[in-house]
Amino acid sequence: DSGVTQTPKHLITATGQRVTLRCSPRSGDLSVYWYQQSLDQGLQFLIQYYNGEERAKGNILERFSAQQFPDLHSELNLSSLELGDSALYFCASSSDGQGSQPQHFGDGTRLSIL
Amino acid sequence: GNSVTQMEGPVTLSEEAFLTINCTYTATGYPSLFWYVQYPGEGLQLLLKATKADDKGSNKGFEATYRKETTSFHLEKGSVQVSDSAVYFCALSEGGNTGKLIFGQGTTLQVKP
Repeated sequence: DSGVTQTPKHLITATGQRVTLRCSPRSGDLSVYWYQQSLDQGLQFLIQYYNGEERAKGNILERFSAQQFPDLHSELNLSSLELGDSALYFCASSSDGQGSQPQHFGDGTRLSIL
Repeated sequence: GNSVTQMEGPVTLSEEAFLTINCTYTATGYPSLFWYVQYPGEGLQLLLKATKADDKGSNKGFEATYRKETTSFHLEKGSVQVSDSAVYFCALSEGGNTGKLIFGQGTTLQVKP
């Protein structure tokens, strides 16, 4: 058990819809990362938050947004969903924001767009 | 930009065979290097890491050495077990103001009894 909790585990929805993925980091970790894992793109970094502030942005579409709340949990919002957004979305947390400490991954949310 | 390239899988071995999974990277500066493992239906787990040239990371019988001259971080294990069957990801962290990871495409390892 990594200590990182992601909900829901599975999400099935239709094109054009909007969903919210939730992540609770390990106790004490200030940094949260979101990654997307798909068959064609592999594992890609989306966005990082550190103590409530956006720290780095990767290949995140404009239809996607995220935030980290004062209690340090994070949400990833995906809107105007397309078939190509079907993927496994991972959240990871670490105690620092610079990569000197390892990242601990949740079990992921599997998003299926019908 | 920075990138990581892993050997393509799947890699199929018999139990107690020697394992090598190749990983090379392209990066500016001095990245930290990692191997993560993903078991079916689970998230990624850190297997080992190295933060500077010539460092050797090791864990659970797995080893990898940070080779700056060949920009490589190959994963090795002397004797694999069926329980090692999983997907292995090589990754780098650029450091600086972010710990974001750049991953290779992953290598599936199947170990047969």
